[in-house]
Amino acid sequence: EPEVTQTPSHQVTQMGQEVILRCVPISNHLYFYWYRQILGQKVEFLVSFYNNEISEKSEIFDDQFSVERPDGSNFTLKIRSTKLEDSAMYFCASSERHLINANTGELFFGEGSRLTVL
Amino acid sequence: GQNIDQPTEMTATEGAIVQINCTYQTSGFNGLFWYQQHAGEAPTFLSYNVLDGLEEKGRFSSFLSRSKGYSYLLLKELQMKDSASYLCGIAYSGAGSYQLTFGKGTKLSVIP
Repeated sequence: EPEVTQTPSHQVTQMGQEVILRCVPISNHLYFYWYRQILGQKVEFLVSFYNNEISEKSEIFDDQFSVERPDGSNFTLKIRSTKLEDSAMYFCASSERHLINANTGELFFGEGSRLTVL
Repeated sequence: GQNIDQPTEMTATEGAIVQINCTYQTSGFNGLFWYQQHAGEAPTFLSYNVLDGLEEKGRFSSFLSRSKGYSYLLLKELQMKDSASYLCGIAYSGAGSYQLTFGKGTKLSVIP
């Protein structure tokens, strides 16, 4: 069964360092997303991406965040200068169609990358 | 803005039925979805309601009333493995874009 894969599963970094989280969405999906979940809190939307550009982003997604689809398979989230409060589980997700036109609200989530900033 | 409310925690007995309620306020509403999240794992899709009414899928059913801004997830014949957080979320659009946002989730504990 196709699945979204994420690497690394866990990364520990020092405050101020750059981090790149990688995702391989399901191959025929066109819409990609990043969410984060701080321990014990809700799953929060960060950004959605379609046709090689950001289609929507939340207020959390400030200038220290960026996303890229460097090739035909990877979708990356970069945090330029990590802060303590960036410690969270970061989930990548993908969907086949635009949800406005879809019959299903199904996003396929990866297993997450746990980021710990010290 | 968007607001989603659901109970923080619920406890139910194995074999019983439990209803998890969700209320929401938003503009540009497109649909309401429910996801299940076991501790330390990714959310997995359960249901998506676009129109009013009840959608049944096995032991799980989801109901939507758009006029009331209300949904519930009904779990029947509870099993221990149903212990998880249940996330109510809304898809909404505006100015040509859209977002998906989740509530804080309801942690369901199923006890013997």
